[in-house]
Amino acid sequence: EDKVVQSPLSLVVHEGDTVTLNCSYEVTNFRSLLWYKQEKKAPTFLFMLTSSGIEKKSGRLSSILDKKELFSILNITATQTGDSAVYLCAVAGGGGADGLTFGKGTHLIIQP
Amino acid sequence: EPEVTQTPSHQVTQMGQEVILRCVPISNHLYFYWYRQILGQKVEFLVSFYNNEISEKSEIFDDQFSVERPDGSNFTLKIRSTKLEDSAMYFCASRRQGETQYFGPGTRLLVL
Repeated sequence: EDKVVQSPLSLVVHEGDTVTLNCSYEVTNFRSLLWYKQEKKAPTFLFMLTSSGIEKKSGRLSSILDKKELFSILNITATQTGDSAVYLCAVAGGGGADGLTFGKGTHLIIQP
Repeated sequence: EPEVTQTPSHQVTQMGQEVILRCVPISNHLYFYWYRQILGQKVEFLVSFYNNEISEKSEIFDDQFSVERPDGSNFTLKIRSTKLEDSAMYFCASRRQGETQYFGPGTRLLVL
């Protein structure tokens, strides 16, 4: 059974701090790993990672994948209150399967 | 920017009733999905749909569930006889070939 484990499950930091969110996975026929941000409703897409060691960056957010150790991290620097959300890691793969397998998410709270 | 849309945003129904949840995927997308998220739990894959047929379904997607693309724009999820445990947020997603899935805002279904 495909598995995605995120840690920590929740995190409270102060504005301006840097955070690192972790995602480890076990999946057959890995194709890609995705990060989403979920505020109130729909998950909104952040990054899709397919290759090891190549950092993807968007503003203060960055992410990298390690396919040998089967994990990914999402970094957020200089956090702002608007970064408060649940961050979801999902993996596409699994014997030709097309549906994403999600982790439970990391609930990030940024205090002013 | 094009978005996936879903209606209704909220639906309350009695146990045993049929419900139809509607989605309008992004117009040039070819792959369509339904996911659900029970309150406090992770997002779970239900079904994927491509070329007018189901391409994959999870164990959750039993005979009570069906999907349809009745015309060129809508994608529907029908639950034939709702159960209390069907109460959840239902997300529709769509994507183009080789790209990531984009999620709609969800329909919150409450079965009483």
